[in-house]
Amino acid sequence: EADIYQTPRYLVIGTGKKITLECSQTMGHDKMYWYQQDPGMELHLIHYSYGVNSTEKGDLSSESTVSRIRTEHFPLTLESARPSHTSQYLCASSEFTTEAFFGQGTRLTVV
Amino acid sequence: SQKIEQNSEALNIQEGKTATLTCNYTNYSPAYLQWYRQDPGRGPVFLLLIRENEKEKRKERLKVTFDTTLKQSLFHITASQPADSATYLCALLSGSARQLTFGSGTQLTVLP
Repeated sequence: EADIYQTPRYLVIGTGKKITLECSQTMGHDKMYWYQQDPGMELHLIHYSYGVNSTEKGDLSSESTVSRIRTEHFPLTLESARPSHTSQYLCASSEFTTEAFFGQGTRLTVV
Repeated sequence: SQKIEQNSEALNIQEGKTATLTCNYTNYSPAYLQWYRQDPGRGPVFLLLIRENEKEKRKERLKVTFDTTLKQSLFHITASQPADSATYLCALLSGSARQLTFGSGTQLTVLP
């Protein structure tokens, strides 16, 4: 059983609101990732981190930002939510070269 | 640009047959290639990992091959069962091992 948790599982929020999606892992993994996935579509890497105070943008341009102040915590923030941000957001973590463990995901709807 | 391509069409096979899924990549030099299973509404679950210096890896009914010359990996499920129905994703880990990038996935349906 993977020890990686995302909250909230579901979020419906109005346009213009600031939101933070939480992701925590208790496995001590250095690497963490955020992916965006629309229903039936592919996973797009939007942010990743390979340790504390290191963050990089992924292949898909995103208006979100991330931080990595503690090893176990990798939150994603949208300063001003828009309907185009409606999607599922998946967080994952891994050791340096091994498999990634995924959280349950946050399904975000911006109205 | 870098690209990972999987079977573009959904794959339907009869129970008991072997399913073969393809992952092709361009402009990558992956050190590791991984396969995941994803069920609707859930995050991917890891299945197998193969390194660039390995040709083949097996785990129970699963087999993965990795041909760095052809830039291709094949994923086989033998004696397939309806419970194997899911979307299967290949993922590449770059040589720097920092970025894990996924292909678009192949939806497999095993018919009873």
